[in-house]
Amino acid sequence: GQNIDQPTEMTATEGAIVQINCTYQTSGFNGLFWYQQHAGEAPTFLSYNVLDGLEEKGRFSSFLSRSKGYSYLLLKELQMKDSASYLCAVMDSNYQLIWGAGTKLIIKP
Amino acid sequence: GAVVSQHPSRVICKSGTSVKIECRSLDFQATTMFWYRQFPKQSLMLMATSNEGSKATYEQGVEKDKFLINHASLTLSTLTVTSAHPEDSSFYICSATTGTESYNEQFFGPGTRLTVL
Repeated sequence: GQNIDQPTEMTATEGAIVQINCTYQTSGFNGLFWYQQHAGEAPTFLSYNVLDGLEEKGRFSSFLSRSKGYSYLLLKELQMKDSASYLCAVMDSNYQLIWGAGTKLIIKP
Repeated sequence: GAVVSQHPSRVICKSGTSVKIECRSLDFQATTMFWYRQFPKQSLMLMATSNEGSKATYEQGVEKDKFLINHASLTLSTLTVTSAHPEDSSFYICSATTGTESYNEQFFGPGTRLTVL
């Protein structure tokens, strides 16, 4: 079956760095997405990786290793507004998104 | 660009009634629209995929007669929850793709919170 695993919850301190991991097992691979979702709101796109390596976008970076079925989202200089759920999603061979359950990130002052 | 709207944002209805949710792509033509449901503290669950002018493809376990999807144009899709029951209370989110990007990024609407009393 298809499976996306990510931690349920993480806590970090304002100004610090946090890494959210995602491992996946899917039928085929056409890219991995990270989305941010604030409570009661729809997800917003953060990043897309289809090749191995690191993609940097401001304070957020995303890494992919296809051979390991592994990705991480790195958030630097954490701000209180970064408190949200972070969803990992993989596009399978049918171009369908398979979603992880999300990681709730709690930022403390 | 690539804005998706949903209406209504919140709806409360009595058990047994039907509720229609609209999803619109405001500044692009959406070749494909997706409907998701999300229960509290859970991930997005794909309900169905619809292409303009054709019947929606429903995921396993989703009743097509209960969740009616109409994708009448390249900018509008509707989801009608028929004979709603309290267990249908959930956060319904639509998304749309342009089909022009290599990775077909999905643009999400703001979601509709449905509460069935």
